[in-house]
Amino acid sequence: AQTVTQSQPEMSVQEAETVTLSCTYDTSESNYYLFWYKQPPSRQMILVIRQEAYKQQNATENRFSVNFQKAAKSFSLKISDSQLGDTAMYFCAFMKGRTSGTYKYIFGTGTRLKVLA
Amino acid sequence: DTEVTQTPKHLVMGMTNKKSLKCEQHMGHRAMYWYKQKAKKPPELMFVYSYEKLSINESVPSRFSPECPNSSLLNLHLHALQPEDSALYLCASSQGRLAGGGQYFGPGTRLLVL
Repeated sequence: AQTVTQSQPEMSVQEAETVTLSCTYDTSESNYYLFWYKQPPSRQMILVIRQEAYKQQNATENRFSVNFQKAAKSFSLKISDSQLGDTAMYFCAFMKGRTSGTYKYIFGTGTRLKVLA
Repeated sequence: DTEVTQTPKHLVMGMTNKKSLKCEQHMGHRAMYWYKQKAKKPPELMFVYSYEKLSINESVPSRFSPECPNSSLLNLHLHALQPEDSALYLCASSQGRLAGGGQYFGPGTRLLVL
């Protein structure tokens, strides 16, 4: 069975600084996808960034980038130039590849990030 | 349109009531999901519909009954709920054949069972 672990329950960062959120996972699959989701307080969960396991290049989306280490089963999220609007709960998630025929997403326990003014 | 909508936003119901939650998407997604989320916890998967057929039921009590009338709509029928069922209920959708694209979530229905 797949598991996703986020070892940092809470983090804080000063505005304009850089912060890295950790995520590790365990799977025997070779084809899978990894995601980071953001859930601001009392607001909608949104997809921040995704990574396909067969791609070696790390995904980037504006100020958000990942460090994907497949052998170490690590998938960390780096937020550059942190903004107050980045304050949210961040969930790491795993999904088996499309050939599995299922659509089950496995979520980590989340990291609560607070950006300080 | 990249939006998943959910109604109602808030719902208060007694343990003997029957109510329904509704979810709609017009992105052509062929997988739709119901999650239950307690405060400060990750979403817990309840049901997955793939091409309008129930593909995953995570051993959810029968007082929750999902329905997928068509590829754009997903309902969750509630009956005889317990106070511990109070939570945020999230609907999500994702592409079918390109399932690695990630999920789009609705804003959720905040349910309180008295």
